[in-house]
Amino acid sequence: AIQLTQSPSSLSASVGDRVTITCRASQGISSALAWYQQKPGKAPKLLIYDASSLESGVPSRFSGSGSGTDFTLTISSLQPEDFATYYCQQFNSYPLTFGPGTKVDIK
Amino acid sequence: QLQLQESGPGLVKPSETLSLTCTVSGGSISSSSYYWGWIRQPPGKGLEWIGSIYYSGSTYYNPSLKSRVTISVDTSKNQFSLKLSSVTAADTAVYYCARLEKIHLGPGAFDIWGQGTMVTVSS
Repeated sequence: AIQLTQSPSSLSASVGDRVTITCRASQGISSALAWYQQKPGKAPKLLIYDASSLESGVPSRFSGSGSGTDFTLTISSLQPEDFATYYCQQFNSYPLTFGPGTKVDIK
Repeated sequence: QLQLQESGPGLVKPSETLSLTCTVSGGSISSSSYYWGWIRQPPGKGLEWIGSIYYSGSTYYNPSLKSRVTISVDTSKNQFSLKLSSVTAADTAVYYCARLEKIHLGPGAFDIWGQGTMVTVSS
């Protein structure tokens, strides 16, 4: 199975900050990566698919990049509603796997 | 718009079988463009893919659960279901159903999720 690691596991940031989260795959997955946002008590929400494509309705301050084994989710200017946990997920091969998550909280 | 809703018992006894159903509304489960999947999340932990199904009945399971999992689809009811046998406390989790895009003959991202249902395994 393809393992995904995320760094950092948590971070504290202020409104307006630029935030970058990294996801690394244990083997190459081309661009078959998605990013999700999850708030407490809620289902995950798709933000980015195919590593860099913005899901419809998601604010443009979210962006994704990378291919192969190294990927990045960037929030250009953190907003109050962005405090949440973020997960990456690969769909290059079965079994589908998720990263362990990165919690973004208020500094 | 398309919505997914999980239903089933919130409490299951150890060694018994967990059974959940996901009802799809606002669209057809028989679309050739999507798979349908189950994901779970133990309290305070991360997400784990359980398995997926295509409307034709083709199934894909996580090897870590494969011996205990059965996913089925009922196109007449626009539903798909999960059965997990021989449950233990480790199976206590929020269970989500979700839609996956079908791309290049394989799965894509989970683009629509149900709200999730908490299942506790306890006697």
